[in-house]
Amino acid sequence: AQTVTQSQPEMSVQEAETVTLSCTYDTSENNYYLFWYKQPPSRQMILVIRQEAYKQQNATENRFSVNFQKAAKSFSLKISDSQLGDTAMYFCAFDSNTGNQFYFGTGTSLTVIP
Amino acid sequence: DSGVTQTPKHLITATGQRVTLRCSPRSGDLSVYWYQQSLDQGLQFLIQYYNGEERAKGNILERFSAQQFPDLHSELNLSSLELGDSALYFCASSVGTSGSPFNEQFFGPGTRLTVL
Repeated sequence: AQTVTQSQPEMSVQEAETVTLSCTYDTSENNYYLFWYKQPPSRQMILVIRQEAYKQQNATENRFSVNFQKAAKSFSLKISDSQLGDTAMYFCAFDSNTGNQFYFGTGTSLTVIP
Repeated sequence: DSGVTQTPKHLITATGQRVTLRCSPRSGDLSVYWYQQSLDQGLQFLIQYYNGEERAKGNILERFSAQQFPDLHSELNLSSLELGDSALYFCASSVGTSGSPFNEQFFGPGTRLTVL
């Protein structure tokens, strides 16, 4: 079964600094999709970034980028120039290519300190 | 705004009662997913429908049921409610189903259910 692990329940970062959130997953599949979602205090779930496993190049969306290590089954999120609005819960998610479920990690609560 | 709508936003009811949560997916999306998020918890996948048919089941209790209608909106029915059912219930939609390219899920704002 697929599992997604986020080993950092809580993190904090100074405004304008860089922070990296960790995510590892377990799968026997070769092709799949990975996502990071953000859930601010409003509780709305917002897609931050996505990565396709067959693509070697790490995805980037403005200040957000990932470090995708397929062999290590690692998918970390880097937030550069952290802003107060980045304060949120961040969930890593795995989409199987053969299954029919999204698997979410337990989340990392990020606080950006002014 | 994700384009996914959920009604009602808030729901307060008593133990033993039955409620129905409604979700309208984004235009063009065929899949609807339901999730439960209890206070300070992660997302628990409940069930997925694709184009009217049940596609996957997660940790959904027997007291809960769902369906997707021909117009693709979905309803989640919760019956014999217990205090522990108090949670935020999210609906999400996607174009295809698991494994499809760019099959990211877009979430609605959620329905907050409080069981007293």
